[in-house]
Amino acid sequence: GAVVSQHPSRVICKSGTSVKIECRSLDFQATTMFWYRQFPKQSLMLMATSNEGSKATYEQGVEKDKFLINHASLTLSTLTVTSAHPEDSSFYICSARRQGTNTGELFFGEGSRLTVL
Amino acid sequence: SQQGEEDPQALSIQEGENATMNCSYKTSINNLQWYRQNSGRGLVHLILIRSNEREKHSGRLRVTLDTSKKSSSLLITASRAADTASYFCATDATGGFKTIFGAGTRLFVKA
Repeated sequence: GAVVSQHPSRVICKSGTSVKIECRSLDFQATTMFWYRQFPKQSLMLMATSNEGSKATYEQGVEKDKFLINHASLTLSTLTVTSAHPEDSSFYICSARRQGTNTGELFFGEGSRLTVL
Repeated sequence: SQQGEEDPQALSIQEGENATMNCSYKTSINNLQWYRQNSGRGLVHLILIRSNEREKHSGRLRVTLDTSKKSSSLLITASRAADTASYFCATDATGGFKTIFGAGTRLFVKA
């Protein structure tokens, strides 16, 4: 199966700092990647759709300047939480679709747990 | 935004019993998928059923889809302690490319 690597798995930072999370498709190319946020015991909330070579599409209510997404290549998307605050603490997960598909199976990273002190 | 509801929210059963989880959705769909998530981990794809299919099997998993009721069910037969996880349904809406997840069912299988 396709593998998606997400790094770091855990990060603790001070309030006001920025944190970058990487999502890589290791053995396939992904035109589209998705970023989710998950609160404890809840479902995945789609934050944005990351498209290779173009601007990300953000869901309603998600601050673009707060959550910067870059999809510079067909195998890498990054999420940067800027000026992080304790309320940004959460579990962030990325997923990817194989290039050439716009529906069907998603391949997920293992998630990144962010704790902002 | 979530597509719909899943029930039950939580389910606790004994090893060997069957577990049934239900999912409802709101829009027309291309397909419906079920995923599994172990605590603190990413999601793993279990099975996909297309909108023109009514039932699908994969090992101990059985999925049904009723597009007239906009609902699906996931049956896990002969459950094992290792099946303990959260299970999410997800839908690809017709004409769209986003996959929207349901609220999830937390399954606990007691050994």
